[in-house]
Amino acid sequence: AQSVSQHNHHVILSEAASLELGCNYSYGGTVNLFWYVQYPGQHLQLLLKYFSGDPLVKGIKGFEAEFIKSKFSFNLRKPSVQWSDTAEYFCAVNTNAGKSTFGDGTTLTVKP
Amino acid sequence: EAQVTQNPRYLITVTGKKLTVTCSQNMNHEYMSWYRQDPGLGLRQIYYSMNVEVTDKGDVPEGYKVSRKEKRNFPLILESPSPNQTSLYFCASSPESGVALHFGNGTRLTVT
Repeated sequence: AQSVSQHNHHVILSEAASLELGCNYSYGGTVNLFWYVQYPGQHLQLLLKYFSGDPLVKGIKGFEAEFIKSKFSFNLRKPSVQWSDTAEYFCAVNTNAGKSTFGDGTTLTVKP
Repeated sequence: EAQVTQNPRYLITVTGKKLTVTCSQNMNHEYMSWYRQDPGLGLRQIYYSMNVEVTDKGDVPEGYKVSRKEKRNFPLILESPSPNQTSLYFCASSPESGVALHFGNGTRLTVT
């Protein structure tokens, strides 16, 4: 069975700080990987996705993620966060057809 | 406007009273999926559908049923709701299998 682990439950940063959120998955085969963001009171939005090819994936709002197959990781990064990035972030993995598994989420608080 | 419409937004019901949460998308997407979101647990996939008449279980299908008789609709049915099904539910659709791209606004269900 597939599983996803997000190591940081709550991250607090000041504006302009760099961000890296960890995501590791457990599955022995081919995976598709995703990061989602959920702003307070809203539904999830897809930030970026990795299916194949270049392991460094760029998404919306200045986010990027790097797939490291040997480490089973797909960490999310942003060079300089803004107050508006305050939200909950979810990593997800899809291994076959339509089945998806999400991590528990990381709450990011950016202090102005 | 491209959208996923869920109804109702809020629902309070009693144990054992059958209910249906509707989900409809106007983008002709083949892939649709249902999730529940609980604090500290992230999103968990309940059921997904790759196309009309093709449905499959996600990670937490117990106590739920779905149907996909036409491409645009993917209702979630709780035959005999129980208090542990109190949760926030999201429907999603996508042109790509396994990717939750467009989300509905959510249905907050309370079972007493």
